[in-house]
Amino acid sequence: SQTIHQWPATLVQPVGSPLSLECTVEGTSNPNLYWYRQAAGRGLQLLFYSVGIGQISSEVPQNLSASRPQDRQFILSSKKLLLSDSGFYLCAWSAPGQANYGYTFGSGTRLTVV
Amino acid sequence: AQSVTQLGSHVSVSEGALVLLRCNYSSSVPPYLFWYVQYPNQGLQLLLKYTTGATLVKGINGFEAEFKKSETSFHLTKPSAHMSDAAEYFCAVRGGNEKLTFGTGTRLTIIP
Repeated sequence: SQTIHQWPATLVQPVGSPLSLECTVEGTSNPNLYWYRQAAGRGLQLLFYSVGIGQISSEVPQNLSASRPQDRQFILSSKKLLLSDSGFYLCAWSAPGQANYGYTFGSGTRLTVV
Repeated sequence: AQSVTQLGSHVSVSEGALVLLRCNYSSSVPPYLFWYVQYPNQGLQLLLKYTTGATLVKGINGFEAEFKKSETSFHLTKPSAHMSDAAEYFCAVRGGNEKLTFGTGTRLTIIP
């Protein structure tokens, strides 16, 4: 069966520090991968998605970047965090060409920038 | 293009009462529709989905939803609310480009 792992679960970082959040998927190959952010009281905002190694699409301009160094690994990064980067970050995957399935989400990372 | 509108960012119901969470969608192609639930500090979990076929779909935890094409709606219901149903619920639509579009969510509170 397929599983998705996301870590760390919580993170407190000072303003100006770097960030690296990791997401890995097991039990499938060539998944579509997604990074979402939930700010307090707001819905889900799609940040990045990837359909293959090295293929990253950004949905909104921001202080963050994403990379996909391996087929089932998706990394969210920042060189210098801002207070506005605080939020709940979710990774998700879907099977390409199977639009009748939804996304499967990881358990999320709560990031607090102080 | 596709979009989802969830009416009511907060809904409160008494324990044992009917739960009704509203979702309207817009899609230029026949849609696939989904409801997800999110408990505090957790990821989203799929409740149910409509793809093709029967328009009344049943999901986990006693929830169900009915696809009404003429009304472009996919409302989520549960006959009798339980305290454990307190969570945030997201409606989503998936069109031809394979990306899910989410609504802004509805926070459900259960009153004892």
